[in-house]
Amino acid sequence: AQSVTQLDSQVPVFEEAPVELRCNYSSSVSVYLFWYVQYPNQGLQLLLKYLSGSTLVKGINGFEAEFNKSQTSFHLRKPSVHISDTAEYFCALNYGGATNKLIFGTGTLLAVQP
Amino acid sequence: DAGITQSPRHKVTETGTPVTLRCHQTENHRYMYWYRQDPGHGLRLIHYSYGVKDTDKGEVSDGYSVSRSKTEDFLLTLESATSSQTSVYFCASHRTTDSNYGYTFGSGTRLTVV
Repeated sequence: AQSVTQLDSQVPVFEEAPVELRCNYSSSVSVYLFWYVQYPNQGLQLLLKYLSGSTLVKGINGFEAEFNKSQTSFHLRKPSVHISDTAEYFCALNYGGATNKLIFGTGTLLAVQP
Repeated sequence: DAGITQSPRHKVTETGTPVTLRCHQTENHRYMYWYRQDPGHGLRLIHYSYGVKDTDKGEVSDGYSVSRSKTEDFLLTLESATSSQTSVYFCASHRTTDSNYGYTFGSGTRLTVV
């Protein structure tokens, strides 16, 4: 069965420091991978997605992620965070098939401190 | 992504009453999904639809039913609401065009069962 694991429930970081949010997945077939951000009391916003091609994917707000098939990972990175990046981040996968279901990880709260 | 509207946005209901949440999309997407979001669990799939009158269960379907009589509308019904169904509910649809492959999410419905 397909699954997504976000091991870090919370990541505290100081403003202007780099950050990496980890995402690992399990799937026996090819997958499409997504990162979403949710600001407090808001809906989901797409940060970036990997469908195929280059394994380094650039998204909005200076975020990027690297697809690593051998490590079954899709970690999200930002070289310098801002207070406004404080939010919950979700990794998700779609393995296609007949249903195109999107499976989410449990989320990582990025807490940026001044 | 203004293609999905969820109603109501907020609802408080009493234990044991039936509740219906509505999801309306204007994108003519074939696939639609209902998720619930709870702290520590991320978003979990309740039910999904792969066409008019074609629906199936997700991972947390107990106590919920769905209906899809038109492409644009996907209804989620809590047959007899319980306090454990207090949650934020998100509807989504799936875009399959190569140029914009991904998902459109609604703004969510915050349901409180008292």
